[in-house]
Amino acid sequence: GQNIDQPTEMTATEGAIVQINCTYQTSGFNGLFWYQQHAGEAPTFLSYNVLDGLEEKGRFSSFLSRSKGYSYLLLKELQMKDSASYLCAPSKDYKLSFGAGTTVTVRA
Amino acid sequence: DGGITQSPKYLFRKEGQNVTLSCEQNLNHDAMYWYRQDPGQGLRLIYYSQIVNDFQKGDIAEGYSVSREKKESFPLTVTSAQKNPTAFYLCASMVAGLTGELFFGEGSRLTVL
Repeated sequence: GQNIDQPTEMTATEGAIVQINCTYQTSGFNGLFWYQQHAGEAPTFLSYNVLDGLEEKGRFSSFLSRSKGYSYLLLKELQMKDSASYLCAPSKDYKLSFGAGTTVTVRA
Repeated sequence: DGGITQSPKYLFRKEGQNVTLSCEQNLNHDAMYWYRQDPGQGLRLIYYSQIVNDFQKGDIAEGYSVSREKKESFPLTVTSAQKNPTAFYLCASMVAGLTGELFFGEGSRLTVL
């Protein structure tokens, strides 16, 4: 495995911002994906970082530091529909390894 | 529309029986993958295939078998040797040669009675 570590659960209020951190240990890795997964459904792609820095995509942004083995996903202006599990997935040799996921609960 | 189709969506099996999960894609992707997901855990890689007639074991291949006779198809057989087969199974595909996005099917939920 790649020792992917992310928090198990986070709770936030509608309209707020939440940051989900992910650390990983891997050598020769290609890049890092973030996926969103609603209960009982397949994961859907959110973002991909291959270079260091911040990638912004609407309300969602993702950051990568290759030297530190660290990434975060930032969710802004939270909506009720953002309640889901968020999976950190480093990529190596055309294979993705997935963290256990962070369950985000958005409250009114 | 292009995509990945998994069937069946729900499957019940008695202990000691083999069962085959179907995965078909029309995205013209070279690489295909099978993952297993258990409650509270991440996706774990069972098998993957980067080209037709070739496949490799993932992290938890014991008790499973696959074939890749056609580019579009990558069926997974859960054998009776798999000790804890009850899980959510996800098939995915990717354009080989790139570290690209994984496209997922809707999943198959297997319950062993």
